[in-house]
Amino acid sequence: QQQVKQSPQSLIVQKGGISIINCAYENTAFDYFPWYQQFPGKGPALLIAIRPDVSEKKEGRFTISFNKSAKQFSLHIMDSQPGDSATYFCAASSPGGSYIPTFGRGTSLIVHP
Amino acid sequence: KAGVTQTPRYLIKTRGQQVTLSCSPISGHRSVSWYQQTPGQGLQFLFEYFSETQRNKGNFPGRFSGRQFSNSRSEMNVSTLELGDSALYLCASSFRQGNNEQFFGPGTRLTVL
Repeated sequence: QQQVKQSPQSLIVQKGGISIINCAYENTAFDYFPWYQQFPGKGPALLIAIRPDVSEKKEGRFTISFNKSAKQFSLHIMDSQPGDSATYFCAASSPGGSYIPTFGRGTSLIVHP
Repeated sequence: KAGVTQTPRYLIKTRGQQVTLSCSPISGHRSVSWYQQTPGQGLQFLFEYFSETQRNKGNFPGRFSGRQFSNSRSEMNVSTLELGDSALYLCASSFRQGNNEQFFGPGTRLTVL
């Protein structure tokens, strides 16, 4: 059972455009929602994360929007750059002294110059 | 500050063999988690070690095991390799158990022939 559904699977955006990646979760106990960025040959790197007590978090060009009632969250990349071309993963985890994230399947983002 | 290091980076084995992968966490980090990444299943949690004890375990068969040493370095072992074990194995470290901010290594690419 896939607990975190991520879409789209791939995304092509022009330089300067907005990239939007969406995730939906099922487990209402999830309370931490990070986004990871992975370049070829590298491990995932934490990009930005949010908890359910806020609806939006912004760090530079990256913004997470969170809709608790809809059990959805999304990553917005403003002014997308070719260097943003990577695979993006959303994840979700629940509290309790352990951190066992459930990952989405990933979105391959290509930003054309 | 050096990042998470994993050795070897690439490995080719044949079915039935066993393999040991190594992970050195960021200095000062005491929690080490292991993940399997495949195109079909995405990123899946294997187990987490903290203070030389396995704290959490994902849904993988007993052929997958690990251990952590007193210096927080960790090893992962897979016995009786199967073709389906071909994957990128990622190690992630964090300051303490259950810490959401994990730092991933570059992974070990295992190919089983």
